[in-house]
Amino acid sequence: GQSLEQPSEVTAVEGAIVQINCTYQTSGFYGLSWYQQHDGGAPTFLSYNGLDGLEETGRFSSFLSRSDSYGYLLLQELQMKDSASYFCAVRAGQNFVFGPGTRLSVLP
Amino acid sequence: NAGVTQTPKFQVLKTGQSMTLQCAQDMNHNSMYWYRQDPGMGLRLIYYSASEGTTDKGEVPNGYNVSRLNKREFSLRLESAAPSQTSVYFCASSETGGGPETQYFGPGTRLLVL
Repeated sequence: GQSLEQPSEVTAVEGAIVQINCTYQTSGFYGLSWYQQHDGGAPTFLSYNGLDGLEETGRFSSFLSRSDSYGYLLLQELQMKDSASYFCAVRAGQNFVFGPGTRLSVLP
Repeated sequence: NAGVTQTPKFQVLKTGQSMTLQCAQDMNHNSMYWYRQDPGMGLRLIYYSASEGTTDKGEVPNGYNVSRLNKREFSLRLESAAPSQTSVYFCASSETGGGPETQYFGPGTRLLVL
């Protein structure tokens, strides 16, 4: 089977940097994705790592270490609008498995 | 491009009633998915369809059936609704076959079963 673990909540102040970790157990690993979901909204794609290393997209970066079955999402220059839930997800064969989500609260 | 659309947006059912949730995508994606999301929790996969004409069970398929009507449309049916099926249902689609795995989600259907 597959399982993913994330911290349930993270709090940071505006302008700061925050890291959200994800550890996974899966067979047939194809890559780690990150999604953002605002309250009442649909998940939207943020980032993907198919290979080890860092991927940067604007203020967001994502890192993967396949040997450690570990990845993280790094959010820089936090803004109030970044308050949301963040999910890591792995592809397992033809389907996807999502983590339980990390709720990020950005304080003024 | 509308992306992924879902109908209805909201629905209230009584226990034992049936209904079908509709989903359509206009991105020519091969794969489509149905998830449910309970309050404060992550997404759980109900069923998926890797390509037109194929469907497979996900993590929580009991009480649901699906139909991949054509490449664009993927419907989810509740034959006899139960209160435990109260949830938000999301449909998603993706293009498989390599490269970044991006799923595109619809706006969701909020279902309350009394």
